[in-house]
Amino acid sequence: EVQLVESGGGLVQPGGSLRLSCAVSGYTFNNNAMTWVRQAPGKGLEWVATILRDGSGKFYVGSVKERFFISRDNSKSTLFLQMNTLRAEDTAIYYCVTGHWLDYWGQGTLVTVSS
Amino acid sequence: DVVMTQSPLSLPVPLGQPASISCRSSQSLVGSDGNTCFHWFQQRPGHSPRRLIYRVSNRDSGVPDRFSGSGSGTDFTLKISRVEAEDVGVYYCMQCTHWPPITFGQGTRLEIK
Repeated sequence: EVQLVESGGGLVQPGGSLRLSCAVSGYTFNNNAMTWVRQAPGKGLEWVATILRDGSGKFYVGSVKERFFISRDNSKSTLFLQMNTLRAEDTAIYYCVTGHWLDYWGQGTLVTVSS
Repeated sequence: DVVMTQSPLSLPVPLGQPASISCRSSQSLVGSDGNTCFHWFQQRPGHSPRRLIYRVSNRDSGVPDRFSGSGSGTDFTLKISRVEAEDVGVYYCMQCTHWPPITFGQGTRLEIK
C-alpha cells in the first residue's frame, strides 16, 4: 500500500519560513518525480512544484518562485518543501503527491500564515 | 499557461440518475508524442483528492465502472452512469501535457438532489 505522510505545517507569521516533509512508503520513490499541490481554504487545487526523480529538474508555479524550494532525499524516500518569505495567500493545505500524473496523495498538512 | 474550464460548477443529481461534467482546455492537449496527459480527480468532503481517471479514459484501480471518461483535443467529459451517495464531492480535471505548469479546472461540486 502506498502511503504519503506530510508533516511540518503550522502557524507562521508573514515573512516567516516553514519546511514541509513527506515520508513515502510502498512506492518506488527514487524512480519517480514528486509534486506538491496546495488548496486554500474553500478553494480549488493549485500545483505548486515538481521535482524530477534524480532532483535534476525542479519546476515551480510563478507565485512561489524564488521563495519555495523543493528537494528530495532518495535514500530516505522523503520529499521536502522549504517555504520562505511566506505570505497570507500561501495559507493552504499542502499535499504531497506522487509523480506529475498525481497518482497518489497524502493527507495534507495545513499551513496558516497570519499575524 | 493552459486554462482548464469546467462546467457546470454545481451539479445537483438525484440518486440513481446519470451525471456529466465537461472540461475544456484553452489549447489541444495532444502532445508532440501523440499522447494526452489529462486526468480526473475526485475530492470527497473532508478527504484528500484521489485520481479517478488517467489519460482521458482509464479508470484507476478500485474506481467503480459507473465512472467513465472520454474526449480528445480540447473537450473532455466525465460521466457517472448512476449517481450514488458516496459520489458526493468536488471533481477536478487536470492537464499535464503542457507543463510546467500543471493546471486544474475550477472544480465541479456534485450533490444529491
